[in-house]
Amino acid sequence: GAGVSQSPSNKVTEKGKDVELRCDPISGHTALYWYRQRLGQGLEFLIYFQGNSAPDKSGLPSDRFSAERTGESVSTLTIQRTQQEDSAVYLCASSLYGDYEQYFGPGTRLTVT
Amino acid sequence: TQLLEQSPQFLSIQEGENLTVYCNSSSVFSSLQWYRQEPGEGPVLLVTVVTGGEVKKLKRLTFQFGDARKDSSLHITAAQPGDTGLYLCAGPLTGANNLFFGTGTRLTVIP
Repeated sequence: GAGVSQSPSNKVTEKGKDVELRCDPISGHTALYWYRQRLGQGLEFLIYFQGNSAPDKSGLPSDRFSAERTGESVSTLTIQRTQQEDSAVYLCASSLYGDYEQYFGPGTRLTVT
Repeated sequence: TQLLEQSPQFLSIQEGENLTVYCNSSSVFSSLQWYRQEPGEGPVLLVTVVTGGEVKKLKRLTFQFGDARKDSSLHITAAQPGDTGLYLCAGPLTGANNLFFGTGTRLTVIP
């Protein structure tokens, strides 16, 4: 079956512009996660969605970051007024409810110039 | 402060050698997972260990969960170039919705 997909695969933007990153989870997976991975580093948790519950936003680094999810499907991560330190790979993962085994997409590489 | 510390951070070995990667924490985890990530791709789950003292084998890879559920190790026997990648341990803390990822070990196996 289809895995987690993300788009775009690469995004280059100018400092100060807004960007939207998209994630399509595995069908039937009610949990969806966004992570950030800076060059050469591990994964940093950003936000978690579970069904129709209020999302866990505890990992968002600033109010420039926001995310939405429509039901148990597509999610978008929005970064407003991008800064150079936002440059990173943004990874999306999904899992079955109550199951911590996460399946990752290939990521979106964001470069802020 | 990282919740999960991995060592070594970098490892470069010859094909055929054995190696062990460690994942340590001062916190107790209900389970720990190991992922491998290749360049340009997302991490791929290798194994989940749940019980303290548990040992799981996946072909040439052996995973162990510490008795106190605070640490884990990954041992690779007769490493091959295809084992090259970033190895990440991860685990959920009680009450947390997300996984905490380790700092990662970047393995290079030289043919």
